[in-house]
Amino acid sequence: KAGVTQTPRYLIKTRGQQVTLSCSPISGHRSVSWYQQTPGQGLQFLFEYFSETQRNKGNFPGRFSGRQFSNSRSEMNVSTLELGDSALYLCASSREGTASGNTIYFGEGSWLTVV
Amino acid sequence: AQTVTQSQPEMSVQEAETVTLSCTYDTSESDYYLFWYKQPPSRQMILVIRQEAYKQQNATENRFSVNFQKAAKSFSLKISDSQLGDAAMYFCACLIIQGAQKLVFGQGTRLTINP
Repeated sequence: KAGVTQTPRYLIKTRGQQVTLSCSPISGHRSVSWYQQTPGQGLQFLFEYFSETQRNKGNFPGRFSGRQFSNSRSEMNVSTLELGDSALYLCASSREGTASGNTIYFGEGSWLTVV
Repeated sequence: AQTVTQSQPEMSVQEAETVTLSCTYDTSESDYYLFWYKQPPSRQMILVIRQEAYKQQNATENRFSVNFQKAAKSFSLKISDSQLGDAAMYFCACLIIQGAQKLVFGQGTRLTINP
């Protein structure tokens, strides 16, 4: 059974550009969440989607957005990139609604470097 | 709002010995899950162990076990017979079972295994 898949794994962008990261959850998982990991701030929650609806959003500026498709795949977008957006972006999925549904599994992450 | 605190930024242990990583959390919710995740240098976030708050019995997964003290809001991880492959960052996390699947993480403990 395939795990959470994130693409691209590594990317370098220039300040002011925008970036789109993609995440395919584990088959059957309908909840997809995104986290940002930096050395200074640690792991911070970005947002979570379930059945194409954003259920919760973390304390990030409006430049950070996301969406979920009908097949549960999710994308997040960061516009007008800043140097401080350089981070590891982790996607996670869970099944929900089952005994083990409240276990969250992570992908390998997308490394974003803004120069 | 919930918080998770890991008071040990770094720990080290001799191979084959036992080590305990500490975690305290704060939440006003009665229904939640607690997790320990391991993040090796590859940065893949790997689930180590899960504990449901409503269960009094401490979770165990092979060499990994937890000491869950609900009244004290404490959730420590014990690693027995430490192996070189256990070297990693360990994160304690809390998931509130209400609406969105959102994990709140501690700052992490870097575990070094000495041969």
